[in-house]
Amino acid sequence: NAGVMQNPRHLVRRRGQEARLRCSPMKGHSHVYWYRQLPEEGLKFMVYLQKENIIDESGMPKERFSAEFPKEGPSILRIQQVVRGDSAAYFCASSPTTTSYQETQYFGPGTRLLVL
Amino acid sequence: GQNIDQPTEMTATEGAIVQINCTYQTSGFNGLFWYQQHAGEAPTFLSYNVLDGLEEKGRFSSFLSRSKGYSYLLLKELQMKDSASYLCAVRAPGGGRRALTFGSGTRLQVQP
Repeated sequence: NAGVMQNPRHLVRRRGQEARLRCSPMKGHSHVYWYRQLPEEGLKFMVYLQKENIIDESGMPKERFSAEFPKEGPSILRIQQVVRGDSAAYFCASSPTTTSYQETQYFGPGTRLLVL
Repeated sequence: GQNIDQPTEMTATEGAIVQINCTYQTSGFNGLFWYQQHAGEAPTFLSYNVLDGLEEKGRFSSFLSRSKGYSYLLLKELQMKDSASYLCAVRAPGGGRRALTFGSGTRLQVQP
């Protein structure tokens, strides 16, 4: 059973360009979460999605950032007009579609975005 | 608001026992998680506590006291490969609020 997949693993963009980060959850998981980790800092929640729905985007910057999780295909985190401060590791996590109280989130390997 | 505190760094000796503490002040509580993260890699799940007490899993144990807003991760028989960051995370209750709030992590260095 493959784990959470993210691509690309490394992404270099110049200021003003767009960055697209992809996440495929574990098989059987329909809950997806995006987190950002700045250098030497902890993980910060950005957005929580289920298929075709954004459930909680309270951690997402109001401008330039958007996320989707279509019916078919991976979840996409999109950053428009990137700035140097967007340089970070972006982690995706998924959790299973169960009524389990624990609902552990399993993390992908991350995408390391560098904005020049 | 949410506030989670952990020591920034700890050092321990191979074969020893180390305890990593975590205190939290959150608006609601629906479980506490510990993750291990090696440099440049994904966080990996270690343990989950939602009720008071100790959960043991091999060399790793995690303790929770909800009344004190306190947890610790206990690592026994330390190995060099245990050198990593250990992340404490709390989940708030509520239908949509499944997001985890993470502390800044404790960087553990295991020495020979």
